[in-house]
Amino acid sequence: RKEVEQDPGPFNVPEGATVAFNCTYSNSASQSFFWYRQDCRKEPKLLMSVYSSGNEDGRFTAQLNRASQYISLLIRDSKLSDSATYLCVVNMNSGYALNFGKGTSLLVTP
Amino acid sequence: DTGVSQNPRHKITKRGQNVTFRCDPISEHNRLYWYRQTLGQGPEFLTYFQNEAQLEKSRLLSDRFSAERPKGSFSTLEIQRTEQGDSAMYLCASSLEPSGNTIYFGEGSWLTVV
Repeated sequence: RKEVEQDPGPFNVPEGATVAFNCTYSNSASQSFFWYRQDCRKEPKLLMSVYSSGNEDGRFTAQLNRASQYISLLIRDSKLSDSATYLCVVNMNSGYALNFGKGTSLLVTP
Repeated sequence: DTGVSQNPRHKITKRGQNVTFRCDPISEHNRLYWYRQTLGQGPEFLTYFQNEAQLEKSRLLSDRFSAERPKGSFSTLEIQRTEQGDSAMYLCASSLEPSGNTIYFGEGSWLTVV
């Protein structure tokens, strides 16, 4: 079983739609959780950190369920510019390596 | 530009040759990471430095791979006797202590082994 699992998609949605991505992780001792965004052939960039209480940044909402070892990302009112791959990222152990999922591909269409 | 800088950005090499990539982290960052990413996959952790000390290495880092950070500033990643399976994007990232701080990636170095 991979340490971080995501549905690879692709998710094709029209502009203005709401889309949700899910991610599960295997190590219950994981400490930190993030969503990164990666555009085609570019480096990953931090989208947002994920906290147990849930957090929101504009159109983006992230949730963490430690009991189920589950992380989600909700994007409301999708824009064309949201088209990218969204990577679920978990810090598994003592604070060194970040472990990435394979990513979920999103395509927002006009 | 004060971000993470990687060189070269693109490298095409023949199988069996050695290649070296350089990473210059954000200047005040004491943590430096190397990742590898192939098409359709997320970045895979290779190794981590805190200052000049290499504190963690992935099992992906075979004996053909070596990384250094001699003065705790820039880092190099060398691949000896390259194989076609080494073709990937090699990403360098840096961060500040403590753990949980944002990790910033460079634009990556694309390696193609022919």
